[in-house]
Amino acid sequence: DADVTQTPRNRITKTGKRIMLECSQTKGHDRMYWYRQDPGLGLRLIYYSFDVKDINKGEISDGYSVSRQAQAKFSLSLESAIPNQTALYFCATSAISGRALTEQFFGPGTRLTVL
Amino acid sequence: LAKTTQPISMDSYEGQEVNITCSHNNIATNDYITWYQQFPSQGPRFIIQGYKTKVTNEVASLFIPADRKSSTLSLPRVSLSDTAVYYCLVGGGSQGNLIFGKGTKLSVKP
Repeated sequence: DADVTQTPRNRITKTGKRIMLECSQTKGHDRMYWYRQDPGLGLRLIYYSFDVKDINKGEISDGYSVSRQAQAKFSLSLESAIPNQTALYFCATSAISGRALTEQFFGPGTRLTVL
Repeated sequence: LAKTTQPISMDSYEGQEVNITCSHNNIATNDYITWYQQFPSQGPRFIIQGYKTKVTNEVASLFIPADRKSSTLSLPRVSLSDTAVYYCLVGGGSQGNLIFGKGTKLSVKP
């Protein structure tokens, strides 16, 4: 089984709809992240969480919200989807160590299309 | 936040060494430099990480000059399976200031 799973893998929705993307991990990591990827723009950080009680905005958090339901689960919500939120969304996890930054493990991605 | 710049694309042939450079002029003192590889329809995968000087593992080397304003990922003797997009990431996990470059698409030809 995959260590980091994302559901759904593909989603088509309409403008104004509320959408939730879910991420689960079995790696036992405390840190979890949500990124979006657009062609030619690389990956951009939306939100990150360093533990269950910690939520932080990333580079492009406007229009998104998150929930850390448990150590293993981190959900991303689009309260009212708009077409420019059409993108590939990745969840990632990483462990805490003595170093400031550790290897991130990425899920397979969710392709979201907003019509 | 550190901004990263890397070439959009590179071409190579099997068996050659490939060097991909990333510029990060305003890197912060506690920022690390990490490189990821991504194949189509997959999430990025960790290749190597460093803070300064040189780091080597079984698949790549990472060269970081003393001023840390750039870094070079070196892939020895590439094969067709190394065709992918390579991303430079600069940031410090404790602050969450994680900035990916826009990626370098490496095409390896036979």
